[in-house]
Amino acid sequence: DIVMTQSPDSLAVSLGERATINCKSSQSVLYSSNNKNYLAWYQQKPGQPPKLLIYWASIRESGVPDRFSGSGSGTDFTLTISSLQAEDVAVYYCQRYYHTPPFTFGPGTKVDIK
Amino acid sequence: QVQLVESGGGVVQPGGSLRLSCATSGFTFNSCSMHWVRQAPGKGLEWVAVISYDGSSKYYADSVKGRFTISRDNSKNTLFLQMNSLSTDDTAVYYCAKGGVATVMAPFDYWGQGTLVPVSS
Repeated sequence: DIVMTQSPDSLAVSLGERATINCKSSQSVLYSSNNKNYLAWYQQKPGQPPKLLIYWASIRESGVPDRFSGSGSGTDFTLTISSLQAEDVAVYYCQRYYHTPPFTFGPGTKVDIK
Repeated sequence: QVQLVESGGGVVQPGGSLRLSCATSGFTFNSCSMHWVRQAPGKGLEWVAVISYDGSSKYYADSVKGRFTISRDNSKNTLFLQMNSLSTDDTAVYYCAKGGVATVMAPFDYWGQGTLVPVSS
């Protein structure tokens, strides 16, 4: 089975500081035919459904603030919040949507204010 | 605007069945793959099933294979999840989510608010 892992499980960052979340896939999500990484990031605030933030590993969804950025390729990826705001407190999930299902989610990383 | 509204949740006994619906609007439903994702209380997200835009392809998580059936009615812009042989492990909020146009290999760009399914005697 393909496994998605995330680190850390949780982190607390001061307002205005950088938050970095890592995601690792047990198999590559890079499709050589189009050179795209089939990796997405979602944000879930308490009591709300998830919201798509990043897709193709680095493309921001429309309306997502530019303090959110994604990077990485193959099996290792990073979500960075460049300057944490109070409204960014949430759980963040990575997800592979490559090839055939299952479209596995990572276990999530909880981000809080220090 | 895009809307996805789940319904059909509620308390069900172990071994029982339930059918969830997801009514959609604001996009071309019959062009998009659709997913079900669940979240047990206090836990992370678990992908459950996907159906292609025309219903010809369906895939399931191992945890529900043989018990759950995903289907769609493109004439009514509605997605369904038939859940049989439910166990307490199936207790979760069930979300429907919109997938990609003409492909299942796409991110989930819109989600419903979810419907709670507690499995309890």
